[in-house]
Amino acid sequence: EVQLLESGGGLVQPGGSLRLSCAASGFTFSNYAMSWVRQTPGKGLEWVLGISSSGGTTFSADFVKGRFTISRDNSKNTLFLQINSLRAEDTAIYYCAKGNWNIGLFDFWGQGTLVTVSS
Amino acid sequence: EIVLTQSPGTLSLSPGERATLSCRASQSVGSNYLAWYQQKPGQAPRLLIYGASSRATGIPDKFSGSGSGTDFTLTINRLEPEDFAVYFCQQYNSTPWTFGQGTKVEIK
Repeated sequence: EVQLLESGGGLVQPGGSLRLSCAASGFTFSNYAMSWVRQTPGKGLEWVLGISSSGGTTFSADFVKGRFTISRDNSKNTLFLQINSLRAEDTAIYYCAKGNWNIGLFDFWGQGTLVTVSS
Repeated sequence: EIVLTQSPGTLSLSPGERATLSCRASQSVGSNYLAWYQQKPGQAPRLLIYGASSRATGIPDKFSGSGSGTDFTLTINRLEPEDFAVYFCQQYNSTPWTFGQGTKVEIK
């Protein structure tokens, strides 16, 4: 059974940083591309970043602008999202999502981790 | 960026009825790389349909997708209590991969 378990969310002040993790199990992690998708009541679902199975290629949404970095450790079956210079508008539930044969098709999602940016 | 517009925003139906949800793209979605997801409160989205009309593993045939180019439809036959949820469309043909704003199917 595919399982994706995010962690690392929480309350952070504007300008702060956060590193989210996603522990994967139930499939051969190193064979699949992965992504981070966030969700807010106002903007709905918003794809943030994707990474190839090897980690050699990343894809990003325009708004990322260098503040967000995706990475992976295939030896530990773990996906990461580093977010710097956090803003109030980054407040969201962050999901990790497994890519299918197409990196942008998400066949399994984690339960999400809530990031709240507030002073 | 491909903008996806879903309609209606809310669909109020009774159990046993059929739901028809629309997703319109601002430009043609190449290869019909259009997916539908279901999301229930407090849960992550679940993949229902990919390639506009192919059901994901384990999805019952009461869910069907159709359409091409810029106009896509998700049909849910014989609504059951567990089908009342929010449904999102998503295009994965070109980055940034984008989602529609969702259609809520609620019990009438």
